Amino acid sequence: TQLLEQSPQFLSIQEGENLTVYCNSSSVFSSLQWYRQEPGEGPVLLVTVVTGGEVKKLKRLTFQFGDARKDSSLHITAAQPGDTGLYLCAGTYNFNKFYFGSGTKLNVKP
Amino acid sequence: DTAVSQTPKYLVTQMGNDKSIKCEQNLGHDTMYWYKQDSKKFLKIMFSYNNKELIINETVPNRFSPKSPDKAHLNLHINSLELGDSAVYFCASSQDGGPGPNYGYTFGSGTRLTVV
Repeated sequence: TQLLEQSPQFLSIQEGENLTVYCNSSSVFSSLQWYRQEPGEGPVLLVTVVTGGEVKKLKRLTFQFGDARKDSSLHITAAQPGDTGLYLCAGTYNFNKFYFGSGTKLNVKP
Repeated sequence: DTAVSQTPKYLVTQMGNDKSIKCEQNLGHDTMYWYKQDSKKFLKIMFSYNNKELIINETVPNRFSPKSPDKAHLNLHINSLELGDSAVYFCASSQDGGPGPNYGYTFGSGTRLTVV
């Protein structure tokens, strides 16, 4: 059983569309991070959310931490082929260790 | 370039062999990690070292032995390789004792281990 469930597992969309991916848990986390991993590379940190209800924006990406700090979402506006990759969320109780979800594999077609 | 670099990128070996993966970071980070990513892309922590001291040792077969000669290096030695060890192994580093509110892991580009 994984602590963090990500959905959907796979998402294939056309360039210009909007999308939301989710990261859910039954546990309360002190913080959640989102990473993007491209083929043949390691994950790269996108954002850290700490406060329940927090919303952070990174250009066309909007991240939200749930009020109860059990879930998070990532919304991408006007997706581009460069957004293609594996999106991973990772949660921690105390910043000592992060637990990763299994990711959402996004493919944005030109 | 400042980075976490690990070698080799690809490793194909027969069952029963012993192999090592090397990792170096020049970011000045205190903490280094080994993660295993399985075929379903699930990333799971194996080990964590802080200033050469073992901090996290998850339930990993004792055929896996990390070694940190200094805080910039963390190597992974695997004895008696098994088919189930096939995966991508990532080295990572972070500031202080681990990722914080303003920073995360810096990962290497991975070592794809295939045991045949």
